[in-house]
Amino acid sequence: AQSVTQPDIHITVSEGASLELRCNYSYGATPYLFWYVQSPGQGLQLLLKYFSGDTLVQGIKGFEAEFKRSQSSFNLRKPSVHWSDAAEYFCAVGRYGNKLVFGAGTILRVKS
Amino acid sequence: SQTIHQWPATLVQPVGSPLSLECTVEGTSNPNLYWYRQAAGRGLQLLFYSVGIGQISSEVPQNLSASRPQDRQFILSSKKLLLSDSGFYLCAWSVSRDEETQYFGPGTRLLVL
Repeated sequence: AQSVTQPDIHITVSEGASLELRCNYSYGATPYLFWYVQSPGQGLQLLLKYFSGDTLVQGIKGFEAEFKRSQSSFNLRKPSVHWSDAAEYFCAVGRYGNKLVFGAGTILRVKS
Repeated sequence: SQTIHQWPATLVQPVGSPLSLECTVEGTSNPNLYWYRQAAGRGLQLLFYSVGIGQISSEVPQNLSASRPQDRQFILSSKKLLLSDSGFYLCAWSVSRDEETQYFGPGTRLLVL
């Protein structure tokens, strides 16, 4: 069965520090991979996605993610975190014709 | 460009009352449409999805139902709300071909008392 694991429920980083949010998946084939961000009380906004090609993908707000097939991972990174990045982040996997499977989310707190 | 609307934004309802949440998409035709529920401290649970008018697939047996009376309208309903129906309800759409990128609406916060 398809599944997505985000091992960190909460992460706290200092403003200006680098960030890496982890995502591991279990899927029968190479899936499409997504990262979404959700601010409190808001809907989900797409940060970036991977379908094929270059395994390092760039997204909005200065985020990037790297697909590592051997590790079944799609970790999200940002070199310097801003206080406005505090939110909940969701990793999701899917494939054409199949529904998305979401991880449980990682809540990011940013210390000033 | 495409936009997705949900209303109401917030709703407080007594147990046993009916429910109707509406989602509409603009700027695209024949989208796939989805209803998710997000309970406090939990991830997203897919409730229903639709690939066309009148075509509804249910993911989780429950107290809720969905309908798609028009191409870009998706409605989530209940005849009698339960306390456990409280949560944040998100509607999403995707292009009905090529890829499964889903775009989410702003959500409806439902509190059942």
